[in-house]
Amino acid sequence: GENVEQHPSTLSVQEGDSAVIKCTYSDSASNYFPWYKQELGKGPQLIIDIRSNVGEKKDQRIAVTLNKTAKHFSLHITETQPEDSAVYFCAVSETRYKLSFGAGTTVTVRA
Amino acid sequence: NAGVTQTPKFQVLKTGQSMTLQCAQDMNHNSMYWYRQDPGMGLRLIYYSASEGTTDKGEVPNGYNVSRLNKREFSLRLESAAPSQTSVYFCASSDLVYTFGSGTRLTVV
Repeated sequence: GENVEQHPSTLSVQEGDSAVIKCTYSDSASNYFPWYKQELGKGPQLIIDIRSNVGEKKDQRIAVTLNKTAKHFSLHITETQPEDSAVYFCAVSETRYKLSFGAGTTVTVRA
Repeated sequence: NAGVTQTPKFQVLKTGQSMTLQCAQDMNHNSMYWYRQDPGMGLRLIYYSASEGTTDKGEVPNGYNVSRLNKREFSLRLESAAPSQTSVYFCASSDLVYTFGSGTRLTVV
């Protein structure tokens, strides 16, 4: 499958600060880039996604940026809150049927 | 509530035993998937079904079989469980956006 690298593996931020997670991928044909949040004991939930014809997308405190030339995309969380603490996964789709996931980033927001 | 339902939530098996993980969705999605989640490795695709009546192998299919029973249901079977299959298993369905179930935590001893 697609090779997706996600960094960092853990991230600790002070409440109110910003958090940034970066993913790189290998297949230039990939065209769909979602981000998922997973809370303890639950399945991943989609929080934001971007398609290859868009460079940036924002939804309240969350934004995703895509650089297709460099084959990387990033999740930005501003004004972090304790409820943002979770594991975040990036994913890449080569076709509409399969997602390849990064290894995940554990985000801890310190009060 | 609409979504993806997985059963059971927890299971302990002895090496060599068999079992079937059940998954059902009520969103009328065409595509369904089985992933496994292991620490530090993200989610890896085991099998998927692009539409009713079709199934295809994913990244890690060895030791598993699947059945797309109808449009709603997609089951995963372990014929002879091994300790390496200890994992958390997630079912998902999609049209354009994926929805995941809450997972089955499987331990093989």
